[in-house]
Amino acid sequence: NAGVTQTPKFRILKIGQSMTLQCTQDMNHNYMYWYRQDPGMGLKLIYYSVGAGITDKGEVPNGYNVSRSTTEDFPLRLELAAPSQTSVYFCASTDGLADPQETQYFGPGTRLLVL
Amino acid sequence: KNQVEQSPQSLIILEGKNCTLQCNYTVSPFSNLRWYKQDTGRGPVSLTIMTFSENTKSNGRYTATLDADTKQSSLHITASQLSDSASYICVVSAKGYSTLTFGKGTMLLVSP
Repeated sequence: NAGVTQTPKFRILKIGQSMTLQCTQDMNHNYMYWYRQDPGMGLKLIYYSVGAGITDKGEVPNGYNVSRSTTEDFPLRLELAAPSQTSVYFCASTDGLADPQETQYFGPGTRLLVL
Repeated sequence: KNQVEQSPQSLIILEGKNCTLQCNYTVSPFSNLRWYKQDTGRGPVSLTIMTFSENTKSNGRYTATLDADTKQSSLHITASQLSDSASYICVVSAKGYSTLTFGKGTMLLVSP
């Protein structure tokens, strides 16, 4: 079972460049999340989605955009990369229909370095 | 503001020994508390989830306890193995929200 997959695994960006972090889950989960994890810090929620076509801001949304056109995919877009966006990005999903507090399944992460 | 504090920040133990990690939270209204294990370079993996009415839950050599009155939780690891070396993250969920508050984690190193 693939679970939650993320691409790329690692990327170096120059300041001002843009990129899209891909996230796909094959568990038919309605809820999907994007987090960032800075060194020595807890995960911070960037955006989340409770279903296709529905997205909402988390704790640290500035500088990011998301879309949810299908149940499976939840891409995260960085429009103008800044050094402060250097971090590890994790995508996660859960079966929100059964219970929004269900176990979250995390992807392997995307390591982003902005220089 | 909802907060989750974990201690110690890091811990080194010998293989085969037991250890206990602590988590204090101020999340309200409380829904559930989770412990995750995060191996280096990987995403977090769920170990246990406890609701308000549960005060202990086990998953193999991992046993989590919850005291909802004092807002404290602990994760006890028995007979540690080298593969237990990881960061252990306490996560607390508030009622009515689809978001979680993450602790910074305790970095555990099990030494041979």
